[in-house]
Amino acid sequence: GAVVSQHPSRVICKSGTSVKIECRSLDFQATTMFWYRQFPKQSLMLMATSNEGSKATYEQGVEKDKFLINHASLTLSTLTVTSAHPEDSSFYICSALGQSYEQYFGPGTRLTVT
Amino acid sequence: QKEVEQDPGPLSVPEGAIVSLNCTYSNSAFQYFMWYRQYSRKGPELLMYTYSSGNKEDGRFTAQVDKSSKYISLFIRDSQPSDSATYLCATHSRNQFYFGTGTSLTVIP
Repeated sequence: GAVVSQHPSRVICKSGTSVKIECRSLDFQATTMFWYRQFPKQSLMLMATSNEGSKATYEQGVEKDKFLINHASLTLSTLTVTSAHPEDSSFYICSALGQSYEQYFGPGTRLTVT
Repeated sequence: QKEVEQDPGPLSVPEGAIVSLNCTYSNSAFQYFMWYRQYSRKGPELLMYTYSSGNKEDGRFTAQVDKSSKYISLFIRDSQPSDSATYLCATHSRNQFYFGTGTSLTVIP
């Protein structure tokens, strides 16, 4: 099956700093990638849709200036959490869209802001 | 009404049991259906991907779609402790994806 990686898997940062999370499709090209946030024991919450070569589409209520998304190539999308605060602590998961419109998810990144 | 509804459970079964996980959906236009398995603190893993009505089998897993009742199911035969996870159903239409809230399953040795 298709493989999607995320880096880092876990990050701890201080309040006010920025954190970048990378999402890579390892064995296929993805024109579309998605970024999700997941709180404990809750379902996935879509944050934004990332399209290669164009601006990301953000879901209602998600601040685009706080969660910067860049999809510069067909295998890489990045999410930068700017000026992170403790309430940004969460599990962030990316996914890449396959040819048959199935989503392949990365392993997730656990962000803790102290 | 949500596009996809899923009983969150939790569901607890003994090892070897047959597990039935279910979702309902609201829009009859949905044609593609997926089941994902998510272990704790991991990303979801695509288990089954089906189109339209009918059954699809892969090892111990069978996905079933009943479009007349807008009902999708995942059956797990001979359940194992390693099947303990949260299972999410999903569908999509025109690049819009809809996920169920997930059902937590525990298989007891």
